[in-house]
Amino acid sequence: GQQLNQSPQSMFIQEGEDVSMNCTSSSIFNTWLWYKQDPGEGPVLLIALYKAGELTSNGRLTAQFGITRKDSFLNISASIPSDVGIYFCAGHNNDKIIFGKGTRLHILP
Amino acid sequence: NAGVTQTPKFQVLKTGQSMTLQCAQDMNHEYMSWYRQDPGMGLRLIHYSVGAGITDQGEVPNGYNVSRSTTEDFPLRLLSAAPSQTSVYFCASSRAGRGPMNEQFFGPGTRLTVL
Repeated sequence: GQQLNQSPQSMFIQEGEDVSMNCTSSSIFNTWLWYKQDPGEGPVLLIALYKAGELTSNGRLTAQFGITRKDSFLNISASIPSDVGIYFCAGHNNDKIIFGKGTRLHILP
Repeated sequence: NAGVTQTPKFQVLKTGQSMTLQCAQDMNHEYMSWYRQDPGMGLRLIHYSVGAGITDQGEVPNGYNVSRSTTEDFPLRLLSAAPSQTSVYFCASSRAGRGPMNEQFFGPGTRLTVL
């Protein structure tokens, strides 16, 4: 079946650093979605992307829909302690959605 | 608004028992979905609904039933629980528009253990 490759699996960074993570697929998607999940809670939508090449920001977060429609990346600028959590990408086509396995972000004091 | 609510938060079952996971939303969303999340894996779609009376299968539907008699509620039934169904279950809802699993609001999850 379809799979998304999300990388890196985990990241350890210093507060204030920028973060970059990405998802790639062998399949084309019409929509790319980025979610954040805190421990013990459900995922929360960060950014939704609908057009190839689209670049969208939400505060310190920026995400892009790849030109080939097979990839997407998420950047976080000037990380802060509350950015800790697991970030998931998801590719969506009509009645199908595939989630990546997540990138776990750790921020060192 | 309470958003998406799920009950119970935790549940332990014995193999072969049945149970229903409850999900409700108060945002008047047309679309609702059920996912399971296993360690080290992304969420996987079990079943979804695009409106009252309409349901369809997702990626991993076996062993689960759903029904949607109202816009607000979307219960998930385990007919005969198996250890492989030990997981965290999330319900989600979204507005009609760009697809049934687009821009979803997730509930807090139900942590199910099957012994």
